[in-house]
Amino acid sequence: GQQLNQSPQSMFIQEGEDVSMNCTSSSIFNTWLWYKQDPGEGPVLLIALYKAGELTSNGRLTAQFGITRKDSFLNISASIPSDVGIYFCAGHVMDTGRRALTFGSGTRLQVQP
Amino acid sequence: GAGVSQSPRYKVAKRGQDVALRCDPISGHVSLFWYQQALGQGPEFLTYFQNEAQLDKSGLPSDRFFAERPEGSVSTLKIQRTQQEDSAVYLCASTLSGANTGELFFGEGSRLTVL
Repeated sequence: GQQLNQSPQSMFIQEGEDVSMNCTSSSIFNTWLWYKQDPGEGPVLLIALYKAGELTSNGRLTAQFGITRKDSFLNISASIPSDVGIYFCAGHVMDTGRRALTFGSGTRLQVQP
Repeated sequence: GAGVSQSPRYKVAKRGQDVALRCDPISGHVSLFWYQQALGQGPEFLTYFQNEAQLDKSGLPSDRFFAERPEGSVSTLKIQRTQQEDSAVYLCASTLSGANTGELFFGEGSRLTVL
């Protein structure tokens, strides 16, 4: 089945640093999404990307949909303590009848104040 | 309610017991999903409903897993004869329309521990 390889698995950074994480797939996706999950909570959508090559920003977050449609990255600029959490990439194929998202295994981010 | 609500938040079951997990989606949301999240992993798709119709159950791991949404709102995920490998967080998510965008609103999850 489809698998997403997400890296790095974990990051420990100082407050104010920039962060970059990425996701690659052996399959093509029509949509790439990035979610954040806090402990004891469900994932929350950060950014959705719908077109190959698309670069989208949401505040300090920037994400890109790779031109091959098999990869995506997420950057966080000027990290703050509340950025702590697990970040998941997810891919989506919009074919008929298929609604499932495929998630990566997550990048655990820790921010030292 | 304002968000997706799941209950119970925590459930401990003895191996072999049946469990039922409930999901109240955001009011008016047409699509409802169940995902299973093992410790340290990303969520994995179980099943999808559009209104009361279960359109995709390809992710259910065995015939011990059963989901329903009889009136197109509240959904229940039932696991029969629980096994230790069923221990996980079960996440419910909903979206407003049947459009296939992948933008999901997740609940807080039900953490199942099977002893």
